[in-house]
Amino acid sequence: GAVVSQHPSWVICKSGTSVKIECRSLDFQATTMFWYRQFPKQSLMLMATSNEGSKATYEQGVEKDKFLINHASLTLSTLTVTSAHPEDSSFYICSARPKSSYEQYFGPGTRLTVT
Amino acid sequence: TQLLEQSPQFLSIQEGENLTVYCNSSSVFSSLQWYRQEPGEGPVLLVTVVTGGEVKKLKRLTFQFGDARKDSSLHITAAQPGDTGLYLCAGAPWDSGYALNFGKGTSLLVT
Repeated sequence: GAVVSQHPSWVICKSGTSVKIECRSLDFQATTMFWYRQFPKQSLMLMATSNEGSKATYEQGVEKDKFLINHASLTLSTLTVTSAHPEDSSFYICSARPKSSYEQYFGPGTRLTVT
Repeated sequence: TQLLEQSPQFLSIQEGENLTVYCNSSSVFSSLQWYRQEPGEGPVLLVTVVTGGEVKKLKRLTFQFGDARKDSSLHITAAQPGDTGLYLCAGAPWDSGYALNFGKGTSLLVT
């Protein structure tokens, strides 16, 4: 149980285009989903927290107009990187939290490369 | 602000050795989780500790939560090459809701 999927697993896009990443909880309902960014050999950096049906809460320094998050249902959240630039290249990981649980279950991550 | 200080940052040991990874904070946590991450993959939850002083065992891995709920440790007995990976501790401070703060991680290499 507690499986989270992400799609795509990797994507290459040109500078200036937008990319959408999907995060799905496959066997549980996720009250909250989180989006993280991870640079090579570093820990996870929380970007934003999203609750189903409400606006996402962004961490300090994360541009909400650049990283659009939609949490349309209890099993799906999407992250759209708008007008991507090479510095947005990174490993993006989502996690999902079941109701009344402190535990988060992570997706396999999406490797974004902007050329 | 790094709430959780993890040490050591890097560890290279030989198969069969024992090791301990520490996760310390000045903040009190409602729970602490330990994850293991392999390159190019998402972190996998190993254990959650909730009660101060709690000890949990997962085969050769032993996890302990400090009495004051500010620190935790992960001890691996007789390490194997399959234990290689990035170990992350993460916790939810009492007043932060459910968002997790992550330590910087311990990169373990067992040869």
